[in-house]
Amino acid sequence: AQKVTQAQTEISVVEKEDVTLDCVYETRDTTYYLFWYKQPPSGELVFLIRRNSFDEQNEISGRYSWNFQKSTSSFNFTITASQVVDSAVYFCALSGSSGGSYIPTFGRGTSLIVHP
Amino acid sequence: EPEVTQTPSHQVTQMGQEVILRCVPISNHLYFYWYRQILGQKVEFLVSFYNNEISEKSEIFDDQFSVERPDGSNFTLKIRSTKLEDSAMYFCASSELLRTTINNEQFFGPGTRLTVL
Repeated sequence: AQKVTQAQTEISVVEKEDVTLDCVYETRDTTYYLFWYKQPPSGELVFLIRRNSFDEQNEISGRYSWNFQKSTSSFNFTITASQVVDSAVYFCALSGSSGGSYIPTFGRGTSLIVHP
Repeated sequence: EPEVTQTPSHQVTQMGQEVILRCVPISNHLYFYWYRQILGQKVEFLVSFYNNEISEKSEIFDDQFSVERPDGSNFTLKIRSTKLEDSAMYFCASSELLRTTINNEQFFGPGTRLTVL
């Protein structure tokens, strides 16, 4: 069984602060994929990143960075110098190879509020 | 840039009525999916569809749900007799490659908000 835990329900920061969104996962699969999605107030899901379980290299994309630590089963997401437009719900998801399927399991999401 | 589209953006219906949610996946994609997100909760997988068949479905996808690809472009989710608890955002997604492929990114549509009164 797969499980994704996003312990932070809501985070509130002031613009320009750095913020880290936590994601801890559980899976018995040796091959799996981890994702982050952004859901702005308009409701759509915006894909941010996908990592596979064999690649623990951290990734940086502009103000976004991701820290994948297999030893602690975590895939945390950091926004540097947050902006008001970053306000959204962020979902972490896990997709494992159980039974040949890669249907993702989503966490409950972390609502990020960035105040001006 | 190609994108998944969904219509309508918001559907209001009475309990017991049938609704059809429509999706147009990205044209060269082979796999299609429906997900549901009850307000304030996580996104949940409903069903995946390939080669005109359901390839997987979750326990949420019971007999009141059905999916269809009626033509070469549309992918629909039908809820036969809606219940209050069907109120949710429904997301369609599509992917190009086989679901077991490493680069199988799912592209999500903007969602249809279904409100059952």
